[in-house]
Amino acid sequence: KQEVTQIPAALSVPEGENLVLNCSFTDSAIYNLQWFRQDPGKGLTSLLLIQSSQREQTSGRLNASLDKSSGRSTLYIAASQPGDSATYLCAVETSGSRLTFGEGTQLTVNP
Amino acid sequence: SQTIHQWPATLVQPVGSPLSLECTVEGTSNPNLYWYRQAAGRGLQLLFYSVGIGQISSEVPQNLSASRPQDRQFILSSKKLLLSDSGFYLCAWNNRGRETQYFGPGTRLLVL
Repeated sequence: KQEVTQIPAALSVPEGENLVLNCSFTDSAIYNLQWFRQDPGKGLTSLLLIQSSQREQTSGRLNASLDKSSGRSTLYIAASQPGDSATYLCAVETSGSRLTFGEGTQLTVNP
Repeated sequence: SQTIHQWPATLVQPVGSPLSLECTVEGTSNPNLYWYRQAAGRGLQLLFYSVGIGQISSEVPQNLSASRPQDRQFILSSKKLLLSDSGFYLCAWNNRGRETQYFGPGTRLLVL
């Protein structure tokens, strides 16, 4: 059974700091890994999708890497801003379009 | 552009009452549709997914059911709610597997 773990569970940083969120998964037989953002009481917004054959994806200040063999991914956020405050969720897709989610990292960026 | 709607936004129901949550997608055809639940202190859990009208796959045995009466409509139901059914229910879609899933705004359900 696929399990996804995210570390840390919560993170508080001052504005402008670069930061890294970690995600690990137990079964490397994945199609892709996706990072989402969730604001309180809201749905999920897709940030980045990395196919299993890719090593990284970038979007603006966000960079996500994937090491499938070791079962790890990182989300790097450069020059963090208060508007980045949210919960960040990692999910891996396995057969049949199934997404298995981690429990998320709650990020607070202090002005 | 595509949009996804869920209603109601919030629902408070007594234990043992029925449930019907609705999700509709606009701007696409024959999408894959998904129901997830996010319980307090837990990650998102896939409940059901559908690749076409009348085709429902259940991931977790429970007192919930799903139906897809139309191409872009996905309904989550229960005949008798339990306290443990409380949570945040999210509907999502994509055009096919291995693509980004797009999520609706969610329905917060509180069973008392």
